[in-house]
Amino acid sequence: SQQGEEDPQALSIQEGENATMNCSYKTSINNLQWYRQNSGRGLVHLILIRSNEREKHSGRLRVTLDTSKKSSSLLITASRAADTASYFCATPSYFNKFYFGSGTKLNVKP
Amino acid sequence: DVKVTQSSRYLVKRTGEKVFLECVQDMDHENMFWYRQDPGLGLRLIYFSYDVKMKEKGDIPEGYSVSREKKERFSLILESASTNQTSMYLCASSFSRGPGEQYFGPGTRLTVT
Repeated sequence: SQQGEEDPQALSIQEGENATMNCSYKTSINNLQWYRQNSGRGLVHLILIRSNEREKHSGRLRVTLDTSKKSSSLLITASRAADTASYFCATPSYFNKFYFGSGTKLNVKP
Repeated sequence: DVKVTQSSRYLVKRTGEKVFLECVQDMDHENMFWYRQDPGLGLRLIYFSYDVKMKEKGDIPEGYSVSREKKERFSLILESASTNQTSMYLCASSFSRGPGEQYFGPGTRLTVT
């Protein structure tokens, strides 16, 4: 399985702090994607990083990819209470079938 | 904006009932997916479809079937609902070409009593 696994499972920080989540996967990939899920809702795509990229930014999000270690990290800078959600990494397979991990549950305290 | 809608947000059914969950997307996506999400287990793929009338089993297809008669609509069928199928069901869609970013519906929380 190419399943991504996020670490830590849960993270609690104060508003304004940075939050870092990690993802490990098992086989070679073309790209890796991060998604956010607010409580009881569907997932929303955040950012995609291709296998030939090492780092990518989008607003307060920074994603890194290390294909030699088969790992990725998602950094959210200057976190806000509205960032409270679960975050998932996903690695696509054939037919763009995805493997999702169990997610990191982020709680940002105001 | 891409829109993926699911027929119900909450559903309560009895053991043994036949249950239909419907998903509709408006982006002309070729691929559609059904997942279930349970605490601690993440998202697990039940079935996916890469074209009209085409389907493939995911990781946990037992107890489920699907139907895709039109490109925009993908239905998940629980032939005889059981209590262990109580879960959050998420539908998603994507293009078949490109990086395959998935667009999700809001989810259906199904309780089987």
